[in-house]
Amino acid sequence: QITLKESGPTLVKPTQTLTLTCTFSGFSLSTSGVSVGWIRQPPGKALEYLALIYWDDDKRYSPSLKSRLTITKDTSRNQVVLTMTNMDPVDTATYYCARSILGMRLWFGNWGQGTLVTVSS
Amino acid sequence: QTVVTQEPSFSVSPGGTVTLTCGLSSGTVSTSYSPSWYQQTPGQAPRTLIYNTNARSSGVPDRFSGSILGNKAALTITGAQADDESDYYCVIYMGSGLWVFGGGTKLTVL
Repeated sequence: QITLKESGPTLVKPTQTLTLTCTFSGFSLSTSGVSVGWIRQPPGKALEYLALIYWDDDKRYSPSLKSRLTITKDTSRNQVVLTMTNMDPVDTATYYCARSILGMRLWFGNWGQGTLVTVSS
Repeated sequence: QTVVTQEPSFSVSPGGTVTLTCGLSSGTVSTSYSPSWYQQTPGQAPRTLIYNTNARSSGVPDRFSGSILGNKAALTITGAQADDESDYYCVIYMGSGLWVFGGGTKLTVL
């Protein structure tokens, strides 16, 4: 069974750096073709792709947020970490991590439950 | 900047058929973009319905189908049920590790 779970602070102050961890099970991020990405959703709004890391440590970012994002993985701990700098109230959203499989063109096939992050002073 | 377009809302009668679409602000959606579709109910994480244009995700009923219609990706629900009332999102793979989600369609079954 594949599971993903996001964890991190529920409240951050403006200008602070957000660090979120995605802990997963049921698959390995060292398997060829597997990747884990981050997607967010502001309250009442649409989904937005943020970043993705591949099994070979290739990293991809949304162009509009690239300067603020860093994605890393710890294969031995089955974790992917996303950091976002200079947080602003408009970054208030539920943040999801999700697994993709390149060979199947299966984008974000398995999702975590999401974690709501509020940015407020 | 690429914008992925979806109908903001749609309604369907129980037992009816509805087709939601996913287009590009400029250009044509083809199978090379590998569009996917997700269903989301309030307070829940998205659930993958369709990937790679028309492949059904595990456990998804066959009344959900994906295709390319004209210059857009399409999600067709045949025999709509009350619990199909949800938000539906598509995502388009633009290449070079960039995915763009549509704005979502709120489907009402009444």
